[in-house]
Amino acid sequence: DAGVTQSPTHLIKTRGQQVTLRCSPKSGHDTVSWYQQALGQGPQFIFQYYEEEERQRGNFPDRFSGHQFPNYSSELNVNALLLGDSALYLCASSLFDRGLNGYTFGSGTRLTVV
Amino acid sequence: DQQVKQNSPSLSVQEGRISILNCDYTNSMFDYFLWYKKYPAEGPTFLISISSIKDKNEDGRFTVFLNKSAKHLSLHIVPSQPGDSAVYFCAVANFGNEKLTFGTGTRLTIIP
Repeated sequence: DAGVTQSPTHLIKTRGQQVTLRCSPKSGHDTVSWYQQALGQGPQFIFQYYEEEERQRGNFPDRFSGHQFPNYSSELNVNALLLGDSALYLCASSLFDRGLNGYTFGSGTRLTVV
Repeated sequence: DQQVKQNSPSLSVQEGRISILNCDYTNSMFDYFLWYKKYPAEGPTFLISISSIKDKNEDGRFTVFLNKSAKHLSLHIVPSQPGDSAVYFCAVANFGNEKLTFGTGTRLTIIP
């Protein structure tokens, strides 16, 4: 049973560029949440997707956007990259009506902005 | 505004002894509390949780204590084993809401 899969594992981008990160949820899960973990910090909630809609959003600018597809996979897009966007981006999947029961994280995508 | 604080960035404990990790939160509206463990190059993995109606929850070597009046959470690991070496994050939530607010983490090193 595959867990949460994120791609790519590592990425280097130039300031001002745009980036797309991908997440495939654990089999049977229908909800995807994204987190940003800066160096030396805990993960910070970006947003959550369910039924292809953004359900909750953390304190992140509009440069951060997402999408969920009918197969429940999700993308995180970041526009106009800043050096401060360098971080580990984590995806977590879950079953919507189960709350945090079974909430599972992927291994993350390490984004470096130069 | 840091809602969840882990004031010890690192902790070293002798194998076999007790490891105690601490966490403080500011918002008394949180009613669900969790501990996650993270190895390098892996995502956080769930360890143990507690709801606000309890003050203690045990699972094998791991026990979580909640002091609501002090807004303080702690994780006890006993006995500590080398495989417990990792970064530990506490997280808080509201029951039924999947948005987690994490602390900054404590790096635990178990010395053989």
